[in-house]
Amino acid sequence: SYELTQPPSVSVSPGQTASISCSGGKLEEKYVCWYQQRPGHSPVLIIYQDTKRPSGIPERISGSHSGNTATLTIGEAQAMDEADYYCQAWDSSTGVVFGGGTKMTV
Amino acid sequence: QVTLRESGPALVKPTQTLTLTCTFSGFSVNPSTGMSVSWLRQSPGKALEWLAVVDWDDDKYFRTSLRTRLTISKDASKNQVVLTMTDMDPVDTATYFCARTVVVSQLYYFDHWGQGTLVTVSS
Repeated sequence: SYELTQPPSVSVSPGQTASISCSGGKLEEKYVCWYQQRPGHSPVLIIYQDTKRPSGIPERISGSHSGNTATLTIGEAQAMDEADYYCQAWDSSTGVVFGGGTKMTV
Repeated sequence: QVTLRESGPALVKPTQTLTLTCTFSGFSVNPSTGMSVSWLRQSPGKALEWLAVVDWDDDKYFRTSLRTRLTISKDASKNQVVLTMTDMDPVDTATYFCARTVVVSQLYYFDHWGQGTLVTVSS
């Protein structure tokens, strides 16, 4: 079955930039999206189709995709950005696939 | 305004069948909208896990490892999607979410989520 790999945790200082990677086989053939999940809350879509932001998501949050790795970048990190972040893709054999999640500490 | 709300039992016994209902508003699941609805879950402290989706054209897809235990159906007239999971086990203890699902260019993604409902499996 298809798998996406994320680092378990990332730490960033307030005001700095954090990057979270998501890798998978043949990921260059797939679109990736990203979710933010604050403690005790439902996930929120923050990036779809690799780079697009839903309305209401600030520009300091961005996505990129090169080869087998997609990257979520959060600039000007704030305390409110402390959350778990999940990447997600679709595989024709497996269906919807999530990464294992990355806990970001600010 | 798009909203989704999950409802169902908070506690089920091992081997029982779980039935969850997602009631949504602000959109429709039909050919004109192209929207779908999915069920997902998250065990305590664990990652998100997709379970099933019912598409606007009533196509259904399931998590491979749970395919034999899951059914999903929609009632477009009631704006509801129902998930059933048979033979529940304590490892199925999780918060179950329903989510509006957008399908674009070989990507299914979830742009609106319900608040989730915690289901505990215990005797």
